Amino acid sequence: NAGVTQTPKFQVLKTGQSMTLQCAQDMNHEYMSWYRQDPGMGLRLIHYSVGAGITDQGEVPNGYNVSRSTTEDFPLRLLSAAPSQTSVYFCASSVSSDRVLLYFGPGTRLTVT
Amino acid sequence: EDQVTQSPEALRLQEGESSSLNCSYTVSGLRGLFWYRQDPGKGPEFLFTLYSAGEEKEKERLKATLTKKESFLHITAPKPEDSATYLCAVQTLGDFNKFYFGSGTKLNVKP
Repeated sequence: NAGVTQTPKFQVLKTGQSMTLQCAQDMNHEYMSWYRQDPGMGLRLIHYSVGAGITDQGEVPNGYNVSRSTTEDFPLRLLSAAPSQTSVYFCASSVSSDRVLLYFGPGTRLTVT
Repeated sequence: EDQVTQSPEALRLQEGESSSLNCSYTVSGLRGLFWYRQDPGKGPEFLFTLYSAGEEKEKERLKATLTKKESFLHITAPKPEDSATYLCAVQTLGDFNKFYFGSGTKLNVKP
């Protein structure tokens, strides 16, 4: 049981480049979410999903897209990276949003130059 | 607007010196309050969930309590391995799908 996995662990992008952060879980969790963590600001919700084919916006969705084609995977896409997107990104999953116990992945540190 | 505030931002303790971390919240209706521990370079790890005022949860040297406006994480006789950042988060009745995190308290326990 690997839990929540994220790839890559580190990434450097140039302004305007696109990329996809990968997130997968093997616990058959319905709920998956993406957060960004910036110094002094805590974790902020970007997007979330309550099941395959269902996604919705969190607090800070601008500049990010998500999709959920399977229960296991929840990729986060940056279409045109900006320096303001430099952050540490965490994926988290839970059995459901009602029965909450968020399991977090190890994070992806992204730098946009 | 839903808000979660943690204090202090940083706390340095001597080994064995007990203290408390604070998480105050302003939400339209509280569904649950969660405490997490985060080690450097890692994702947050779940510690406790509290659902109603007066509720308490304990795990080893940690004890979490909840009132209608705030939660405390009490650390009794801490050890250096308790050094980490402690995060609290709230889930509101208005939207079960969203969780609001505080900015955390960085705890450093010196031997």
